Amino acid sequence: ELKVEQNPLFLSMQEGKNYTIYCNYSTTSDRLYWYRQDPGKSLESLFVLLSNGAVKQEGRLMASLDTKARLSTLHITAAVHDLSATYFCAVDFGNEKLTFGTGTRLTIIP
Amino acid sequence: SAVISQKPSRDICQRGTSLTIQCQVDSQVTMMFWYRQQPGQSLTLIATANQGSEATYESGFVIDKFPISRPNLTFSTLTVSNMSPEDSSIYLCSVVPQTNYGYTFGSGTRLTVV
Repeated sequence: ELKVEQNPLFLSMQEGKNYTIYCNYSTTSDRLYWYRQDPGKSLESLFVLLSNGAVKQEGRLMASLDTKARLSTLHITAAVHDLSATYFCAVDFGNEKLTFGTGTRLTIIP
Repeated sequence: SAVISQKPSRDICQRGTSLTIQCQVDSQVTMMFWYRQQPGQSLTLIATANQGSEATYESGFVIDKFPISRPNLTFSTLTVSNMSPEDSSIYLCSVVPQTNYGYTFGSGTRLTVV
């Protein structure tokens, strides 16, 4: 079965702190995507990771992919309120269809 | 990356009726995908729509309930038929990237069935 698991499901962070969201998937893939969704909005593409060891950074967010461990991480550095949103990872298992993780609802508190 | 125009953005419908959602892409794409996002949940793929062939439905979704049209390489519709309150969700279309961009999503249709 093709599965994508994210943890934690809910994350409440203080501003200025660092944290990591984890995305594990069930079988071989080297195509993983991270998205952000604000309440009532559609999905915004954050990162596209297409090979083992890929690392992408944008502002306070950094994503990495370890295809051997079937693991991707989304690291948040010095969180600010603007980063409050739900974050999804999604995996293409080779059929060009995306299987989404459960999502992580991130709340940044002052 | 592609730009998708999706409409309607939201609707409130009576149970037993049907709603058709449209997605227009600004470039030709081979595959279009339709997703459902139930309240507070992740996204679930409903079906894949290829131009010139019947849509391919995922487990748990059937053509009679969610008929899809794909008349050309830039347009697709999803109909939610004989609606019940359980169909209240956000419906999103998506396209396969032509380059190494993330899959692009439409703005979504928030459907409430009363």
